[in-house]
Amino acid sequence: DAGVTQSPTHLIKTRGQQVTLRCSPISGHKSVSWYQQVLGQGPQFIFQYYEKEERGRGNFPDRFSARQFPNYSSELNVNALLLGDSALYLCASSPPDRGREQYFGPGTRLTVT
Amino acid sequence: GDSVTQMEGPVTLSEEAFLTINCTYTATGYPSLFWYVQYPGEGLQLLLKATKADDKGSNKGFEATYRKETTSFHLEKGSVQVSDSAVYFCALPLEGGGNKLTFGTGTQLKVEL
Repeated sequence: DAGVTQSPTHLIKTRGQQVTLRCSPISGHKSVSWYQQVLGQGPQFIFQYYEKEERGRGNFPDRFSARQFPNYSSELNVNALLLGDSALYLCASSPPDRGREQYFGPGTRLTVT
Repeated sequence: GDSVTQMEGPVTLSEEAFLTINCTYTATGYPSLFWYVQYPGEGLQLLLKATKADDKGSNKGFEATYRKETTSFHLEKGSVQVSDSAVYFCALPLEGGGNKLTFGTGTQLKVEL
């Protein structure tokens, strides 16, 4: 079975721009979560979506938003990019019967210059 | 709030040496505990988990025992290999339910021949 996929793999943006990152969960998984991993740190929770509804939000500014589509794929949007938004953005999906287990994609490396 | 604390790295070992990576947690109740591994340039992979006190999670020669008396979940392996070189993260679910995790800062392991 295919794992969690994310696109693009790498992205370079300038300050003030907007970016959209995409994630496809493992087949059968209805929950998607987004994390930000700054170099040298553990991932920080941004959002969780289940059945297209937001189920949790971390301590991130309103410049960050997300949504989930009927096929359970998800997008993360970040507006007005700052240098500090440079990070690896990870998407994770969870099976319906083992919700606390999360399966991560390879991530999107965002560099803001 | 709930959190995990990991020993700082990097940890450098010779092949076939014994590995211990310490993890302690602060939590309300007895949440599930996880170890994730991140190989260079990749996303996180679930290594093992324990869902209740005194449980032992194991996978690929790694083990960790959920000890509520010492609020610890130390990761151990009897004989490490060069291929085990990676960053290891201890994690537990964030308060408020849902599929969101809080991670430690990670411990880098380097195994040399």
